[in-house]
Amino acid sequence: GNSVTQMEGPVTLSEEAFLTINCTYTATGYPSLFWYVQYPGEGLQLLLKATKADDKGSNKGFEATYRKETTSFHLEKGSVQVSDSAVYFCALSSGGYNKLIFGAGTRLAVHP
Amino acid sequence: DSGVTQTPKHLITATGQRVTLRCSPRSGDLSVYWYQQSLDQGLQFLIQYYNGEERAKGNILERFSAQQFPDLHSELNLSSLELGDSALYFCASSAIGQGPRGYTFGSGTRLTVV
Repeated sequence: GNSVTQMEGPVTLSEEAFLTINCTYTATGYPSLFWYVQYPGEGLQLLLKATKADDKGSNKGFEATYRKETTSFHLEKGSVQVSDSAVYFCALSSGGYNKLIFGAGTRLAVHP
Repeated sequence: DSGVTQTPKHLITATGQRVTLRCSPRSGDLSVYWYQQSLDQGLQFLIQYYNGEERAKGNILERFSAQQFPDLHSELNLSSLELGDSALYFCASSAIGQGPRGYTFGSGTRLTVV
């Protein structure tokens, strides 16, 4: 079946450090891929998406490229801020009815 | 405000009891999705409704049921509650043709079973 695997957290960084959160997937067909962010006490918000191979999604300085050959969708940011502290979820959608399948989530803590 | 409203925000109840969680989707969205977020299981898809009909089912226990009403709001019913049912329950909605790109999540209902 379809599944998403994320690197385990927590990830702890200093402000302005480079961020990578790894995400790989298993899916039949051609899934769409997403990163969602969950700030403390809130629901999930869509951060970025990519719908086909080699697409790059970007938003708020975050980027991720859909790599079909490595079945990956790693999240990157060149310079993190304290306000980026949150839980990040990688997700995929494949097949009918657009059900999202999430990874376990990676907690990011950024310190001044 | 995301546009998806979930009530109540917090719920504390005893084992064996039954509760109902409510979700009002974003205006115009016909699809409603329910997810359970627990510490050890991550975010699990429970069930999806589209315009009143069940469309997809995930890891939803038989003790749990859901429905979507003509006004498009949805309710998730949890019965014979166990300690392990303690979790955050999220509702999300999306519009026709947008699929996951249009997912909007509510702020969730935190259920504590004691």
